Amino acid sequence: EVQLVESGGGLVQPGGSLRLSCAASGFTFDNYAMTWVRLAPGKGLEWVSVISVTGESTYYADSVKGRFTISRDNSKNTLYVQMNSLRVEDTAVYYCAKSVSTWYWDYFDYWGQGTLVTVSS
Amino acid sequence: QSVLTQPPSVSGAPGQRVTISCTGSGSNIGAGYDVNWYQLLPGTAPKLLIYQENNRPSGVPDRFSGSKSGTSASLAITGLEAEDEADYYCQSYDNNLSRSVFGGGTKLTVL
Repeated sequence: EVQLVESGGGLVQPGGSLRLSCAASGFTFDNYAMTWVRLAPGKGLEWVSVISVTGESTYYADSVKGRFTISRDNSKNTLYVQMNSLRVEDTAVYYCAKSVSTWYWDYFDYWGQGTLVTVSS
Repeated sequence: QSVLTQPPSVSGAPGQRVTISCTGSGSNIGAGYDVNWYQLLPGTAPKLLIYQENNRPSGVPDRFSGSKSGTSASLAITGLEAEDEADYYCQSYDNNLSRSVFGGGTKLTVL
């Protein structure tokens, strides 16, 4: 059974940092691109970042570029996102999502339950 | 403002049919990129509902169907059930933005 379990969310002050993790199981992790998607209160889903199977290629939404860094450890079957210089508008539930292939822009066949990040003073 | 436009809400009585539209442009849906649909229930992981316009993953009832024409796509739900009450999102790829894009989401209320 495919499982994606996010962790690392919490309350942080503006300008602070957090690192989210997504532990994957039930599939061959290094065969698939992985993505972070967020859902802010009262808003729709927003694509955040994607990483290739090897981790060599990464892409970011303009809203987080230069502040967020996506990475993966295939030996630990874990996806990460390091979030720096956090802003109030980064407040959201962050989901990790598994691509159905190695292609960055393919659809997502499995998602985690999400971890809440609250940026507030 | 989302790249893909969805109605904020739709509603229907049990047993009825509803459709949710997803309107894009020539750089995403109109360019031929796949449209996928996801269901979000509060407190649960988002679920893939329809992929590549009109394909259902195993376990998704055939009450759910998708279609695409030009720069728009639609999700249809027939035989509405109370458990269908959720938020629905369309998703595609945009070659101007060079990234995945989502619709703004549609809240389905079963009356």
